[in-house]
Formats: sequence, structure tokens, C-alpha cells
Amino acid sequence: SAVISQKPSRDICQRGTSLTIQCQVDSQVTMMFWYRQQPGQSLTLIATANQGSEATYESGFVIDKFPISRPNLTFSTLTVSNMSPEDSSIYLCSAEGGREETQYFGPGTRLLVL
Amino acid sequence: AQSVTQPDIHITVSEGASLELRCNYSYGATPYLFWYVQSPGQGLQLLLKYFSGDTLVQGIKGFEAEFKRSQSSFNLRKPSVHWSDAAEYFCAVGAPWGYQKVTFGTGTKLQVIP
Repeated sequence: SAVISQKPSRDICQRGTSLTIQCQVDSQVTMMFWYRQQPGQSLTLIATANQGSEATYESGFVIDKFPISRPNLTFSTLTVSNMSPEDSSIYLCSAEGGREETQYFGPGTRLLVL
Repeated sequence: AQSVTQPDIHITVSEGASLELRCNYSYGATPYLFWYVQSPGQGLQLLLKYFSGDTLVQGIKGFEAEFKRSQSSFNLRKPSVHWSDAAEYFCAVGAPWGYQKVTFGTGTKLQVIP
């Protein structure tokens, strides 16, 4: 299994600003994923981040709003840009590596936009 | 497209009682199936997974799940619930090829009463 950490664990931000969330994995992984979990809801996949290539975004999510970096096999960032209160959510990073074909999740970043 | 249904939004059980959480999936072949648990303020923890083979899968914390192809179900069970099991439980389905694009159900919130 992979151990995943995220920073920050929570933040309160002002409307119109941007926040970058970091995700660190304790081992090299092929695929990393970013999810959003709105209050009381299930997980929605934002994008898949493969090292060395552009992230693949799901329907309803765009790179200008959620730019993602994947500079190496253990690290990724998600930026939530030009935030509005509707962006208040938990943002979760997950990773899949090796032969396990299983996603392991970070603890999440709880974002409140005022 | 794959999908997951968790028909029970909220379940309350007494401590020591047995538990069964329902999960039905839609997929054209045999999928990969997962159960995750999310405790309050935490990320997701993998309880168990089914890829192939024995249809009764044992997981952590005393949980098990049974894959029933004829019913397209993957119900989660525990013979005796502990107060610490109070959490939200997510069933998920993934495609057994390529990278794991996993679809999550809407979750079942478990309340445990003394």
C-alpha cells in the first residue's frame, strides 16, 4: 500500500484567491488522482495526473480552474484558482502504483471559501 | 458506463449487532470492486477489494464482502459492530484494465448506538 500526505490539511480562503494543495506519496506511483467531495456528497473525480504528461480532466472540470502539476513519481499539486464559495469542499488526492491496481487516499484538504 | 448504487443513505445499528451495507453495481463484465471507510474528518481507508477468485473477501477491522454476480451486488458485512465503526462507507467499482478510473457510490452513513 502507499502512504499519502496532503498539505494543507485545511484552509479558509477569500473569494477570488487561489490555493495550491500538495500531495506526497511515500513510494513511486504511476497514477495520481484528484477528487472533490462536496459537503454531504460522494467523491467526484477531477482529473488524473500521469507523470510527464498533461493531466486528464473529467467532464465539468477545466485546466484553467484546476491546474495540476506532476513533476515526479511521488508528488503532485492541485491549484484551485479564482475561488468562489462553491469551491468549498474536501479535496482528496489518491495514488495507484505497482501491481495492486488499488487507489490509496490521502487525508484530504478541507477548504472553506468566504 | 460503470455505476454504483448504495440504496441506504443512513443506517443505525446497536453496538454488538450485525451489519450489512448494500451495494449494487452496473458494469458489462466482472469489475474490480472496493469498499472504503471514511471516519469523520478523515480521508478514505480501504477496507477490502475484489478482483477475482473467491467471491467472499475478507478485509480489515473484521469486515467481509461477498460478490454475487447474479445480483450485481457486493454487500459489506460485519458480525458484531463496534462503536468505532461509526463512519461513512463507500462502495466503488473500477474497470479491470488500463488505469483505475474508479466510480464511487453515494455512501452509507453508519450510526452505532449503545
